[in-house]
Amino acid sequence: EIVMTQTSLSSPVALGQPASISCRSSQNLVHSNGNTYLSWLHQRPGQPPRLLIYRISNRFSGVPDRFSGSGAGTDFTLKISRVEAEDVGVYYCMQATHFPWTFGQGTKVEI
Amino acid sequence: QVQLVESGGGVVQPGRSLRLSCVVSGFTLSNYGMHWVRQAPGKGLEWVAVISSDGSEKYYADSVKGRFSISRDNSKNTVYLQMNSLRPEDTAVFYCVKDGNPKFDYWGQGILVTVSS
Repeated sequence: EIVMTQTSLSSPVALGQPASISCRSSQNLVHSNGNTYLSWLHQRPGQPPRLLIYRISNRFSGVPDRFSGSGAGTDFTLKISRVEAEDVGVYYCMQATHFPWTFGQGTKVEI
Repeated sequence: QVQLVESGGGVVQPGRSLRLSCVVSGFTLSNYGMHWVRQAPGKGLEWVAVISSDGSEKYYADSVKGRFSISRDNSKNTVYLQMNSLRPEDTAVFYCVKDGNPKFDYWGQGILVTVSS
């Protein structure tokens, strides 16, 4: 089973400031078809998760462009260019390259 | 718009069974695989099961294999999760999730299952 390990943010983030979350997988996430199925999800308190980014860097429908994803192989990053109040919550990376699908432990973003 | 609505949760004693349902709308269910993902109280996300668009393929997490069964009725726009031999560690919010080939693109609001005597 692929283990996804996320970094913790060291302190609350100030509004308007950037934030960056890292995710590392225990194995390379490049699928045999050449795609890398690494996604980022955001869960606000009391809400279900919602998809932000898929295949490393593709923003899902309706996701603001202050969110961006990057990385390759085993190391991936989610960046928020300017944090807004609605960005609080927990961010999860997940991989869908190898069965079973697995999630990171989550990174909490506080303002 | 896409909607997924779970039902069937509640409090159940250890060893008993429960069946969750997920009614979907806003997309053609028969075109997509569907997942169940769970989240124990205060914990992270755990993938539970997946069913292919036509129901011919089903896969499970080791933690539920042999106890849970996923199924679907495309004519009723509904996906099910039959949960047998429930354990206290199965206590969680269960989410129905659409597979956007392959990304978890739409999630239901979730339904709480509590296994307790």
